[in-house]
Amino acid sequence: DVKVTQSSRYLVKRTGEKVFLECVQDMDHENMFWYRQDPGLGLRLIYFSYDVKMKEKGDIPEGYSVSREKKERFSLILESASTNQTSMYLCASRTGGVSTGELFFGEGSRLTVL
Amino acid sequence: KQEVTQIPAALSVPEGENLVLNCSFTDSAIYNLQWFRQDPGKGLTSLLLIQSSQREQTSGRLNASLDKSSGRSTLYIAASQPGDSATYLCAVMNRDDKIIFGKGTRLHILP
Repeated sequence: DVKVTQSSRYLVKRTGEKVFLECVQDMDHENMFWYRQDPGLGLRLIYFSYDVKMKEKGDIPEGYSVSREKKERFSLILESASTNQTSMYLCASRTGGVSTGELFFGEGSRLTVL
Repeated sequence: KQEVTQIPAALSVPEGENLVLNCSFTDSAIYNLQWFRQDPGKGLTSLLLIQSSQREQTSGRLNASLDKSSGRSTLYIAASQPGDSATYLCAVMNRDDKIIFGKGTRLHILP
């Protein structure tokens, strides 16, 4: 069974703290993605990676960075958390090559920044 | 620029009914279209993926169709059950490799 695992389901942090959100997939997928989901705004792409050591900015990268040191792991970093980063964060992965491209998501990480 | 629309935003139907959820997109040059289910506070669960060369896919009580020329996809749910209550999202993969999501239809099955 395919699996995308996000390390934390719920986090509460204070403004200015550094936050790490970890995502691990066991499907040997090349492509990995980080989205945030907010009511009324839908899913918005933060960063994505097509392979190890590669990263690309999505639609809303400001205030975030990512790391992909190993193929199975894609980390989202908030260098200095702010209240407007309170959101549901969703990690996804898929195999490389757009002809297949089924997207699999993790369970989500609900971050609250106080 | 690709836009994906799901109407209505919310839908309530009695248990046992068959129902259709709609997804429309503005640019027909797509690689595939995927339907997801999302329960409150959870991630997205993949239901069906339709490649651009296909017209439909089936899984159990679910059937998804794709009409690229009209920019439409439908998700048909047969014999609805209370456990089908969730938000259903569609996502289109463009030929520029961007994935565009609709905002979803929130479905409530009345017992």
